[in-house]
Amino acid sequence: AQKVTQAQTEISVVEKEDVTLDCVYETRDTTYYLFWYKQPPSGELVFLIRRNSFDEQNEISGRYSWNFQKSTSSFNFTITASQVVDSAVYFCALKKYTGANSKLTFGKGITLSVRP
Amino acid sequence: EPEVTQTPSHQVTQMGQEVILRCVPISNHLYFYWYRQILGQKVEFLVSFYNNEISEKSEIFDDQFSVERPDGSNFTLKIRSTKLEDSAMYFCASSVREGLGGELFFGSGTQLSVL
Repeated sequence: AQKVTQAQTEISVVEKEDVTLDCVYETRDTTYYLFWYKQPPSGELVFLIRRNSFDEQNEISGRYSWNFQKSTSSFNFTITASQVVDSAVYFCALKKYTGANSKLTFGKGITLSVRP
Repeated sequence: EPEVTQTPSHQVTQMGQEVILRCVPISNHLYFYWYRQILGQKVEFLVSFYNNEISEKSEIFDDQFSVERPDGSNFTLKIRSTKLEDSAMYFCASSVREGLGGELFFGSGTQLSVL
């Protein structure tokens, strides 16, 4: 069975602070995908990143960076110099690499509040 | 930029009534999904749909639920006799393929309130 654990439930930071959102996953598959989605107060789910399990290269996109560590089954997300607009719920998710229509398994989400 | 469109954004219904939630996936996508999120909880998979048939469903997706792609553009979720516990945000999603590049794009959701 697949499982995603986001142990942090709520994080509050002051604008311009760096913040790391943790994600730990469990799967028996050797190849899989990991995702991060953002859910702003308006409610929609916004795709942020997809990572293949066979590609452990870390990725940076502007103020966002992701640290994938297969050895510890973690896929952590760091926001550098946080902004108020980063306030949202962030979900980590896991998906099988193969198999028609394999579902996304989400973590419970982390509520990030960035104060001015 | 193409997006998944869901209507209505909010739906209020009485317990026992039928509701139909509507979605227009991204036009060249082939795989369609419904997920739901009960307030304050995680997003849960309901069903996936490909080539005009259900390919996977969760234990939540019981006989009260059905999906349909009535034409080339719409994808609907029907709840036959709503229960209080069906109150949730329902997300439609689509993807162009499985495997590499098969990320799901979600709509803005329909907030269903069952009274």
